[in-house]
Amino acid sequence: DTGVSQDPRHKITKRGQNVTFRCDPISEHNRLYWYRQTLGQGPEFLTYFQNEAQLEKSRLLSDRFSAERPKGSFSTLEIQRTEQGDSAMYLCASSPQSGLTQYFGPGTRLTVL
Amino acid sequence: GQNIDQPTEMTATEGAIVQINCTYQTSGFNGLFWYQQHAGEAPTFLSYNVLDGLEEKGRFSSFLSRSKGYSYLLLKELQMKDSASYLCAVRTLIVMDSNYQLIWGAGTKLIIKP
Repeated sequence: DTGVSQDPRHKITKRGQNVTFRCDPISEHNRLYWYRQTLGQGPEFLTYFQNEAQLEKSRLLSDRFSAERPKGSFSTLEIQRTEQGDSAMYLCASSPQSGLTQYFGPGTRLTVL
Repeated sequence: GQNIDQPTEMTATEGAIVQINCTYQTSGFNGLFWYQQHAGEAPTFLSYNVLDGLEEKGRFSSFLSRSKGYSYLLLKELQMKDSASYLCAVRTLIVMDSNYQLIWGAGTKLIIKP
């Protein structure tokens, strides 16, 4: 059973550097979501894809954040010019088109020094 | 605005029963989820309610009252492994985009004592 996978699991970077995370959803799922979560808080929605189309992006998301899903399979999330406030767990989730439940990957923990 | 409230932390004893409440104020309600999240891990799906009433699944049950904007998660026969955060999330309609989105509560940290 291959669930949602994310790479890397941990990333430490210096302020100002760019980072890129990858998410591989469950193979038959065509919906993919990115969330950010900080300690003691629930996940915060970042963006959402249906197949390769990015259908929604949080208004809270700065233009330093960009996500792609070029072939409707895996997705990447890039953060440019990282700031200390970007330190968080970045979660990816997927769901089938007809389904409501989102299945989460293990997350990528980002630490910006 | 949209708001979901849960208690920050609860403590219970192994073998006992605990009820975790969630109240919400959202637009375009289309279902409520409960997820479990162990420290440092991703959330895992527990239950989904869209109609009023109680949904039972083993030791876990979830209740919904749409008129009151209220849900609870009931955990029976508590085990030490149930120590985790429990997240309430509501599926709402984002009117401007005509899309649904999950709005998450901050989670309730449940501590189980022997």
